[in-house]
Order: sequence, then structure tokens, then C-alpha cells
Amino acid sequence: EAQVTQNPRYLITVTGKKLTVTCSQNMNHEYMSWYRQDPGLGLRQIYYSMNVEVTDKGDVPEGYKVSRKEKRNFPLILESPSPNQTSLYFCASSFLVGLANGELFFGEGSRLTVL
Amino acid sequence: AQTVTQSQPEMSVQEAETVTLSCTYDTSENNYYLFWYKQPPSRQMILVIRQEAYKQQNATENRFSVNFQKAAKSFSLKISDSQLGDTAMYFCASQVPLVLNAGNMLTFGGGTRLMVKP
Repeated sequence: EAQVTQNPRYLITVTGKKLTVTCSQNMNHEYMSWYRQDPGLGLRQIYYSMNVEVTDKGDVPEGYKVSRKEKRNFPLILESPSPNQTSLYFCASSFLVGLANGELFFGEGSRLTVL
Repeated sequence: AQTVTQSQPEMSVQEAETVTLSCTYDTSENNYYLFWYKQPPSRQMILVIRQEAYKQQNATENRFSVNFQKAAKSFSLKISDSQLGDTAMYFCASQVPLVLNAGNMLTFGGGTRLMVKP
């Protein structure tokens, strides 16, 4: 089954304790991205990756890091989480089809609470 | 930069009736894509419908259809014969082609929470 898998689905942590949210896709997509969802703001892009070892900042990258060492994996790293990073996080992936945009496939979301 | 606005934070509709969710957007590009996503309580983001700006014909998917008014920059979603399973948060989103959008980013509205009542 084609899917984007995120872990953990739920996490409560404390300020300053490093954490990683993993994302893996089995569709051989070149493109992967992280979004955060906050009430009234919709989803906003944090980081994206066009292919292995190619990453760049989205709209709200502060406080986050990513890496893309393998095509299927795109972990989101919070080196020193703060309460304003309490949010619902989504990983998404797609093919890059020339000038067209491939359909984005989303993971099931990771609810993160930072105390 | 693109912006997407959903002016209705919450809506409700009786089962079997029709409801329309509003969305307006702003972009300086002539070619772009518009989407409606559904997010049920399970939190999964589900693509409901997609419209390409250069196509004049409104997209439809079964009970879901859009009213795309390019000049007015309006992209409303109509749900006919509403079902209890349509209860969800609905997000409108826009996207410009990859050549103009290095991050392949979707710009989302704030969402409309729809409740279908039995």
C-alpha cells in the first residue's frame, strides 16, 4: 500500500529536550516536505526536499532541522523544542513531474506538545 | 506571495442538504492550481478536488463540485446530498507551478469546520 508514515503520532515532551519526528514514504517520490498545522492558520511549510541531499527552508523554518540522506526518509528534528512548537505536524511527498505538480500525499500527522 | 482566505470558520448543514464553503485567494500568477482538502477527525489530509486555473470548466468529483471564478479569485466548494461522513475540517489551498515555486509549496487557508447534522 502506498503511504507516508510518520512516527510518533503523539508526543508530549519538555522544553529543550531534543526530539525527532520520522517520515518515510514507499512511493519513490523525489519531493518531500514538512508542514505544521495551527488553528486558524491552516498548514504552513517548514522545510522541503527536492531529492537526496537537497533541502531548503519553507515559510516557517525557525527552530527546525531536516535531513535527506535516503530518498524514502525525511526526518524533522527539533534540537531544543519550545512551547510555540506545540502543533500538529504533517509530512508530505510527491513526484516532481516537469512543470506540473504531482499530487501531494500526506502522512497521518504527529501531534506534538511541548511543556 | 500567495494568500488564501476562508471566511467561514464553522458551518453546519442537515444531512442530505447542500452546503457551499467559500474560499478566496490572491496570486499574481496566471497559471496555478487550486485544491480542496478534507481533514476528518482521523486527521488524515484527503484531496477532495483539484482545479487548474487555465481550465474554465469547473471540476467535479461525485457529490463535490467547485465554482471557480478566476476574475474574482474565488474558489468555492459545493457539497451536495451531505452525508454524516462529510463532517470534517475543509482546507482550501493554492499552488503555483514548480518553475515558479521552488518549494512546491501549497498555501493553505485557515480552514472551515463543517458539521453534518442527522
